[in-house]
Amino acid sequence: AQSVAQPEDQVNVAEGNPLTVKCTYSVSGNPYLFWYVQYPNRGLQFLLKYITGDNLVKGSYGFEAEFNKSQTSFHLKKPSALVSDSALYFCAVTGGSYIPTFGRGTSLIVHP
Amino acid sequence: DAGVIQSPRHEVTEMGQEVTLRCKPISGHNSLFWYRQTMMRGLELLIYFNNNVPIDDSGMPEDRFSAKMPNASFSTLKIQPSEPRDSAVYFCASSRTGYEQYFGPGTRLTVT
Repeated sequence: AQSVAQPEDQVNVAEGNPLTVKCTYSVSGNPYLFWYVQYPNRGLQFLLKYITGDNLVKGSYGFEAEFNKSQTSFHLKKPSALVSDSALYFCAVTGGSYIPTFGRGTSLIVHP
Repeated sequence: DAGVIQSPRHEVTEMGQEVTLRCKPISGHNSLFWYRQTMMRGLELLIYFNNNVPIDDSGMPEDRFSAKMPNASFSTLKIQPSEPRDSAVYFCASSRTGYEQYFGPGTRLTVT
């Protein structure tokens, strides 16, 4: 079985400050990890993925994520938050099948 | 590329009526997913097709729900008869590699 935990329902950060959205996972075998973003009244949009290779993965809009195998984590980060980053963020994992398990989502609010 | 296309974008119907949601995946993608999103239950996978064949329909709530993919460029999700608890946003997503998914804009279904 595979599972994802996003421990924070909401993250608040001031514009210009660094942000972190947390994700931990459980999966059999090697993990394939993803981050998606959902803006209001829109579908989910792929941000970045980790399949193999460097533990630091760079994605769209200046986001990056760090894969930590020992802590089974894949936290999403951005050095300087923008108000326009405010959205719902989903972490997802699969153990190699094509069917991912999504987390419950974390609402990111960036204050001006 | 036009992205994943879903229709209708909004559907309001009365309990007991048949509802058909439509999806056109991105050309060249061979995997298609139907999801349902609600505040209470989050994002739920309903069914997964690969090369037009249903692979996993364990998420389909009950016999009132059915999905088809007659060809690589079209899929439908049908609810018959509809019930108020089916009210949700339904997303279609497609994938080429079988890993990162590209979501459509969703269909917001309201059953009164």
